Formats: sequence, structure tokens, C-alpha cells
Amino acid sequence: DGGITQSPKYLFRKEGQNVTLSCEQNLNHDAMYWYRQDPGQGLRLIYYSQIVNDFQKGDIAEGYSVSREKKESFPLTVTSAQKNPTAFYLCASSGTGGWLTEAFFGQGTRLTVV
Amino acid sequence: GENVEQHPSTLSVQEGDSAVIKCTYSDSASNYFPWYKQELGKGPQLIIDIRSNVGEKKDQRIAVTLNKTAKHFSLHITETQPEDSAVYFCAASMLGGQNFVFGPGTRLSVLP
Repeated sequence: DGGITQSPKYLFRKEGQNVTLSCEQNLNHDAMYWYRQDPGQGLRLIYYSQIVNDFQKGDIAEGYSVSREKKESFPLTVTSAQKNPTAFYLCASSGTGGWLTEAFFGQGTRLTVV
Repeated sequence: GENVEQHPSTLSVQEGDSAVIKCTYSDSASNYFPWYKQELGKGPQLIIDIRSNVGEKKDQRIAVTLNKTAKHFSLHITETQPEDSAVYFCAASMLGGQNFVFGPGTRLSVLP
């Protein structure tokens, strides 16, 4: 089945550690996105990528890094520079082809700092 | 850049009643407006969308209307059921745009 997969579902990080969240899609979508969601809040854009080997900062990129070496994959690293990383992280993908098509979301990764 | 506002932030309705959620956008170049439903602990799911070349779209109990002149669009849910309880997000994007701008969300509670 086509879809977008995030792993792990739950992740615990010690202070000072970097952690990487995985996002894989088999929808043949060009564009991929990472959002952060805090309790009771909306979606804030961290990074997005329109094409392989290219990505752009979103509204809250500080303390995060990404790579886009393959069309199917867009991993997010939460670095130790991110002072308040506990949140729900959502990955999404969409087609382009002139204008953005429907964005599909993964099921999210809940990151907790311990 | 684009800014999307969404109202109300919370909405409670009795089962069987209708629910309406409204969004406004700022950039007249936006031309695609999806709506997402997010259940607790899950990722948002697309429930309906509309492009700027149509004014209304309907899918069973769900409909979306778009007023380009006023730059607002609305989600209408009729005959609400308890399983409609969730957080709903609207979004906007534009031709040649590179990302979606989301509204802050509406928490809908359908009371039995």
C-alpha cells in the first residue's frame, strides 16, 4: 500500500543528545515536510524539501537539521541545540507538478526529553 | 507571506446537529484549500479539499465552500456523529508555492 511511514512512534532522548526521526514515503511525491505540534497547538513548519538534495528552513528550523539524499526519505535530526524538543513531530509529503497537490501525513513521532 | 486564521477554536454540538468551521486567508494568490481531521495521537488525515476554480464541493456529510472575493472558506459537517469529534485544520497553498500554511485548528466535540 502507498503511504508515508514515520518511525519510531515514541522516542526518548536524554538532554544533550542528538536524535534522528525517520520519514519514508512510497507515493512518488517530490515534496516532503516536517512539522512540530505542541499540545493543543497547530502545526509549525520546521523544514521542507521540494526536490532531492535541496531543502529549505521553515518557521522554526533552529536546533533541527534534515537531509534529502533520496526522494523517498527525509530524516529529521533534533540536535542538542533545540532547547525544548519535547513535542509531536509530523512528516508529510505532497506532489508538485505545477501546484501542490494533497499532502499526506504520517502517524507522527512523539519525542520526550528525559 | 500567507496567514490563515480559523474560528472557532473549540466547538461543541449535539449529535445530529450541523457544525461549521470558518477560515480566512490573506494572500489572494492561494488557490488550494484542504481540510484535515486529526484524532488524538494520530497524524492529520485529509477529509476534503477545494481549488479556487470552484465555489463548493461536497462529499456525503462534509462540504466545503470557498469565497475568493472575501478570501474565506468553510467546512460544513451535517448530521454530526460522535466519531466526528476531533481537531480540524484548514490550510492554504498557492500556485508555484512551496508549502502549506495551516490554521491553528478547531476542536470539535459531538455530544451524544
